Amino acid sequence: TAGITQAPTSQILAAGRSMTLRCTQDMRHNAMYWYRQDLGLGLRLIHYSNTAGTTGKGEVPDGYSVSRANTDDFPLTLASAVPSQTSVYFCASTLSNTEAFFGQGTRLTVV
Amino acid sequence: AQSVTQPDIHITVSEGASLELRCNYSYGATPYLFWYVQSPGQGLQLLLKYFSGDTLVQGIKGFEAEFKRSQSSFNLRKPSVHWSDAAEYFCAVGAKEYGNKLVFGAGTILRVKS
Repeated sequence: TAGITQAPTSQILAAGRSMTLRCTQDMRHNAMYWYRQDLGLGLRLIHYSNTAGTTGKGEVPDGYSVSRANTDDFPLTLASAVPSQTSVYFCASTLSNTEAFFGQGTRLTVV
Repeated sequence: AQSVTQPDIHITVSEGASLELRCNYSYGATPYLFWYVQSPGQGLQLLLKYFSGDTLVQGIKGFEAEFKRSQSSFNLRKPSVHWSDAAEYFCAVGAKEYGNKLVFGAGTILRVKS
């Protein structure tokens, strides 16, 4: 089984440009999450979705937006990238009250 | 606010020695507790989890963790470390009252010396 698939694996993006990080899961999990990982800070929640059609803000939502049109997909969009958004981004999903499953991450560099 | 503290940024142990990684949390609800491991350039793999019941939980790769409510701790242990255990370890906490969103600690990097 594929589990959670993130794309792209890595990307270099010019500041001011927009980009969408893709996340797809095939486990029919109801909840999905986007985290960013930065050295010394662990993983911080950007946005989440408890079920298709709903989204919520996490700890560090500014500069990011998400949508949840269906159960499987949870794209993360940077409307106008800034260098501080250079990070490794992880998508995760859970079934209610169970552990989170993570994708392999997207390494984004904003220059 | 919910928070998770991993006091040790780096730990170095000798191969074959015992290991304990510390995790303390501050939560206004009954927590779910997790330990994840991340090898360089990889995603996060679940080592073990605690939801309820026996406070000593067993995980994969010979790891165990003990939930101590009175100390708000969930420390990870392994009796004999292998060189392949070198990685970064994250403690995470969630709660139904907070929509099951996980809050992560900053991580502990484990180095294993031969």
